[in-house]
Amino acid sequence: DAGVTQSPTHLIKTRGQQVTLRCSPKSGHDTVSWYQQALGQGPQFIFQYYEEEERQRGNFPDRFSGHQFPNYSSELNVNALLLGDSALYLCASTTWAGKETQYFGPGTRLLVL
Amino acid sequence: GIQVEQSPPDLILQEGANSTLRCNFSDSVNNLQWFHQNPWGQLINLFYIPSGTKQNGRLSATTVATERYSLLYISSSQTTDSGVYFCAVWAAGNKLTFGGGTRVLVKP
Repeated sequence: DAGVTQSPTHLIKTRGQQVTLRCSPKSGHDTVSWYQQALGQGPQFIFQYYEEEERQRGNFPDRFSGHQFPNYSSELNVNALLLGDSALYLCASTTWAGKETQYFGPGTRLLVL
Repeated sequence: GIQVEQSPPDLILQEGANSTLRCNFSDSVNNLQWFHQNPWGQLINLFYIPSGTKQNGRLSATTVATERYSLLYISSSQTTDSGVYFCAVWAAGNKLTFGGGTRVLVKP
């Protein structure tokens, strides 16, 4: 049973560029959430997708957008990158209906120069 | 929004020692999870524990939801226990709010 997978593992971009990160949820899960973890801090909730719609959003600007596909996989897009967007981006999956453990992927390390 | 505080922020242990990590939260929650983040950044599920006590090997956790805290116990610590331990709660929906973490270093 495959767990949560994310790609790419590492990414280097320059300021102003755009980036797309990808996530495939754990088998049987239909809800995907994205988190940003800056160095030395706990993960911060960006947004959550279920049934291809954004269901909840944290305190992040509109430069952060996402998408969920019919197979439940998801993308996180960040436009007009800033130096402060450098972080570990984590994807988590769970089921919308039940109270169930959230499982995290290995993350994508983004460095903005 | 809900606030989650973890203590201590840093912990240095000698191999074989026992320790207790604490997580306080500011409001009623539907659920609580404990994670271990390894040096490569992977968040590993330790416990899903809205209330009561659970044990898994040398680790155990207790959540007292009415008093808004949870404790993670590490017994007979090993060097592989090093890393950052996070407590995370959710109140509405599936949004997790994390504490700041406890950084644990176990020395041989």
